Amino acid sequence: AQSVTQLDSHVSVSEGTPVLLRCNYSSSYSPSLFWYVQHPNKGLQLLLKYTSAATLVKGINGFEAEFKKSETSFHLTKPSAHMSDAAEYFCVVSDPTTGGFKTIFGAGTRLFVKA
Amino acid sequence: NAGVTQTPKFQVLKTGQSMTLQCAQDMNHEYMSWYRQDPGMGLRLIHYSVGAGITDQGEVPNGYNVSRSTTEDFPLRLLSAAPSQTSVYFCASSYVALAGGRNEQFFGPGTRLTVL
Repeated sequence: AQSVTQLDSHVSVSEGTPVLLRCNYSSSYSPSLFWYVQHPNKGLQLLLKYTSAATLVKGINGFEAEFKKSETSFHLTKPSAHMSDAAEYFCVVSDPTTGGFKTIFGAGTRLFVKA
Repeated sequence: NAGVTQTPKFQVLKTGQSMTLQCAQDMNHEYMSWYRQDPGMGLRLIHYSVGAGITDQGEVPNGYNVSRSTTEDFPLRLLSAAPSQTSVYFCASSYVALAGGRNEQFFGPGTRLTVL
């Protein structure tokens, strides 16, 4: 069975400092992995996705993530946080045994950015 | 394009009442899905559809029905609302992947449902 664990429920950084949001997954197969962002009272927006091509994936707004199969991790990073990055972030894995039609969300990490 | 639209934005029900949450997309996506979002639990898949006339259960399907008569619409029905169904509901759509993985899902703005 697939599962996703986001290791921090809350992360607080100062503006201009690096961001690290951690995600570990469990999968018997080669998964597809995604990061979505949800700003307050909004829907979700895709930040980036990994689908078995390059292991370092670049997304929107300066975010990137590295797929590490040996560590079963897909951590999200950004070199310099901006106030507008304050939001909730979800790591998502799709289940290839269902053709990718069933997705599993992590519990989410809320990012706070201090001025 | 309007993208994915959901109605209503807010709804309050009494226990035992029924209602339908509406979802529509204008991107000609084959895949549509319904999620519920509860604090500390991320989003959980309720039902999904890979095309008109085809639906399947997700992780938490009990208490919900769906049908897909057109590509554009994917309504979610609560047959007899319970307080445990108080949640924020999101509809999403995407193209069906050609091979492996999954394409980006596009999400609607959500419906906040309270069951008293």
